[in-house]
Order: sequence, then C-alpha cells, then structure tokens
Amino acid sequence: DAGVIQSPRHEVTEMGQEVTLRCKPISGHDYLFWYRQTMMRGLELLIYFNNNVPIDDSGMPEDRFSAKMPNASFSTLKIQPSEPRDSAVYFCASSFGTGPRNEQFFGPGTRLTVL
Amino acid sequence: AQKITQTQPGMFVQEKEAVTLDCTYDTSDQSYGLFWYKQPSSGEMIFLIYQGSYDEQNATEGRYSLNFQKARKSANLVISASQLGDSAMYFCAMRESRDFGNEKLTFGTGTRLTIIP
Repeated sequence: DAGVIQSPRHEVTEMGQEVTLRCKPISGHDYLFWYRQTMMRGLELLIYFNNNVPIDDSGMPEDRFSAKMPNASFSTLKIQPSEPRDSAVYFCASSFGTGPRNEQFFGPGTRLTVL
Repeated sequence: AQKITQTQPGMFVQEKEAVTLDCTYDTSDQSYGLFWYKQPSSGEMIFLIYQGSYDEQNATEGRYSLNFQKARKSANLVISASQLGDSAMYFCAMRESRDFGNEKLTFGTGTRLTIIP
C-alpha cells in the first residue's frame, strides 16, 4: 500500500515567490495534518483537516500561509509570499478514525529553502 | 510549561547494548496516549510504539519497549540489542483526552541516538 505522498521533495525558491506543497494521504484516512520542522522550534502542527474540513489552524504562523483540502485524496499548503524564515521541512501526515491509539502516518517531507 | 520533555539531546551507545531514551510529560488529563517516533537521516517519521494511560502492561514491539511510570509521568523508550540502523532522532509525543476526536499530537524536541560499531 502506498504511504503518504508529498511533492516536491525539495524546493528552493527566492524570497517573495509563491510556494505550493502537495500531499496525498493514505487512501481511506479521514484526518490530514501539516507539520513544520525546524532546528529551533522542533516539530510544529500547522493545521489539520477532518473529512476535508479544516479543524484547527491555530498553528499557522501568519496570513502568508494557507492550506486547502479540496477532496479526500489531495491537500496543498501554500506560502505567499515566501520568506527565508519559512525554510524548514514540511511534513504531511494522515490517520484514520478517532481514539487514543491512532497513530499518524507521515510522508517523507518537503525540504523548503527560501533564499 | 513543556508538555513533553526529552532531556537528552544526544546519546552515543555501543552496538548491541540496550539504550533508554527518556521522556517525561505533563498533563492533568486522566486519559491520554503516548507515542514514540523514529526519524532516520533520510527524514521520514516512523511510528514505533504506543502506550495508553490505562494500559496495565508496558507496551512492547519487537526490540522496542516502553518503561511507563504513570506516577512519575515518564514514558521512556527502551531499545534492546541496539543496531547501527537504530541511529536516528527519536521523538516522544502525547495525545491528551481533550484531543481525542481532534487527533492532535504534541511532540518533544527529540533525542539524537548514535550507535557506535
């Protein structure tokens, strides 16, 4: 079975450019999470969806960040305009159902570098 | 206050020895779940083991076991007979009962484990 798929794996862009990160969750999973990982702040939850609906976006750093989930098999995280401090690894994760035991399955991550 | 504390930023362990990675947590909830994830140098996050707050037995998954001490609020990961492939970052995470149904995990800062041949 395919795991969580993220694209691109690496992105290098210049400050001010728009960046779009993509995620395909595991088929059948109804929760989707976007995380950001940096050396300084560790692993931070940015936003998560349940059945394509955003549930909690309190971790989104500012209005430059937006996320969508138009259907159960696709989500995007967009940064516009990008800034050097956005450089990080962005992970997408998915899980199924509710309950304390449910682990999240992570994608390989997108390493974003903003010059 | 930190909800998940991992006090060992880095550890070096001889191959084939057992290793314990520390994790303490802070919650006022009675029901919660604790997770350990492994992040090798390739970057992906791999789920290792889960412990529920009401589980009477310590969780085990192959060479991984969890030393769960509820009163001390600690959930240390034990890796037996360490292998070179165990070299990675290890993250402890918690889901509190207020988040059941919300599925939110809080992660610690991680411990970098290096296995020495």
